[in-house]
Amino acid sequence: QVQLVQSGPEVKKPGASVKVSCKASGYTFTDYFMHWVRQAPGQGLEWMGRISPNSGGTNYAQKFQGRVTLTRDTSISTVYMELSTLRSDDTAVYYCARDPLALAMGGNRFDPWGQGTLVTVSS
Amino acid sequence: EIVLTQSPATLSLSPGERATLSCRASQSVSSYLAWYQQKPGQAPRLLIYDASNRATGIPARFSGSGSGTDFTLNISSLEAEDFAVYYCQQRSDWPLTFGGGTKVEIK
Repeated sequence: QVQLVQSGPEVKKPGASVKVSCKASGYTFTDYFMHWVRQAPGQGLEWMGRISPNSGGTNYAQKFQGRVTLTRDTSISTVYMELSTLRSDDTAVYYCARDPLALAMGGNRFDPWGQGTLVTVSS
Repeated sequence: EIVLTQSPATLSLSPGERATLSCRASQSVSSYLAWYQQKPGQAPRLLIYDASNRATGIPARFSGSGSGTDFTLNISSLEAEDFAVYYCQQRSDWPLTFGGGTKVEIK
């Protein structure tokens, strides 16, 4: 079965960077986009961007452009989300979520999701 | 960006009752709308895609309808496990956006 396992919680100081990983299994890693979505405490969901594990091509929400970098390592079926210049309002649970449609079809919806990684930004 | 407005913010109902949730888009998204369910401490789960298609394994009591700017998620008869927060999401235009959520709580 498709499974996405994310790295553990992080505590960072303002101005630092964080890199969260998402290891995929149960399917052909390079065949499906991977998205990142975040959720601040008690708040709603916010899409950050997506990566094609095949080509490495990315699309980012303009809000995060210049601060977020999505990368992948096909040898270990893992995608990474790095967020720089952290602020207190970046405190959130960060989710990876696979697109359920193959690359050529690009569904731009999310199924399944990883378990989430809490990133806390505090001085 | 396309803004999705969900209403009501909170819906208080009893098990067995019907739930009707609304999602309105600031511009047409055609049928490119999905619904997700999120329980406390869990990741969201895809329920409905492209307005009216149930995702794999989703019970038939969940149904979606609508097109253009107005969409509805119906839960025909609430079961205990359905009390949760529900989000809509559009894929018509970049950036992908979500509604603010509707919490379905036990009355």
